Amino acid sequence: ILNVEQSPQSLHVQEGDSTNFTCSFPSSNFYALHWYRWETAKSPEALFVMTLNGDEKKKGRISATLNTKEGYSYLYIKGSQPEDSATYLCAFMGNNAGNMLTFGGGTRLMVKP
Amino acid sequence: GAGVSQTPSNKVTEKGKYVELRCDPISGHTALYWYRQSLGQGPEFLIYFQGTGAADDSGLPNDRFFAVRPEGSVSTLKIQRTERGDSAVYLCASSLTPASNYGYTFGSGTRLTVV
Repeated sequence: ILNVEQSPQSLHVQEGDSTNFTCSFPSSNFYALHWYRWETAKSPEALFVMTLNGDEKKKGRISATLNTKEGYSYLYIKGSQPEDSATYLCAFMGNNAGNMLTFGGGTRLMVKP
Repeated sequence: GAGVSQTPSNKVTEKGKYVELRCDPISGHTALYWYRQSLGQGPEFLIYFQGTGAADDSGLPNDRFFAVRPEGSVSTLKIQRTERGDSAVYLCASSLTPASNYGYTFGSGTRLTVV
């Protein structure tokens, strides 16, 4: 069983605060690390697919970094807005995982106006 | 279609009944996945189809669960003799290729409640 952990489980911040959360995953047999945003009553939406150690990806105010040697990824949100409120999921794909993703438990972010 | 469509969006059923959940993936996406999300947890893998065949069904919890994709597009997840523990959000996702650099496209899920 693959262990993909996310912390914190939930986070309350004020509008304008910057925040970050962590995803840890197995450091062996790495193929890819995905980040998704899941807003209530909507579909999970892909944010990033990261494959290379040291990768850093950015989409607007959201960015992510990847360390495959030590098995962690950080997701950063700069200047949080109420519309950023969602559950952020990371998911690990291994070389021998049969092309399926193993998800962490998610970080639930709530941004207060 | 424009996105992944799942029907019904909500299903309430009595313990012991049979249910079918439908997933209509993006046209042309060869890979299709079913996941289940229970309260407070991340999505848990159930089964993966590559075309018409189940490439990996190791996540199906027991033989009450079965899924098909007969023509390589629409998939149906079937649950026999439902139990209260089957209550969850069932998510379907598709991707152009199994290890797509664009990630999976998810449907909005079917919320199954077994009473």
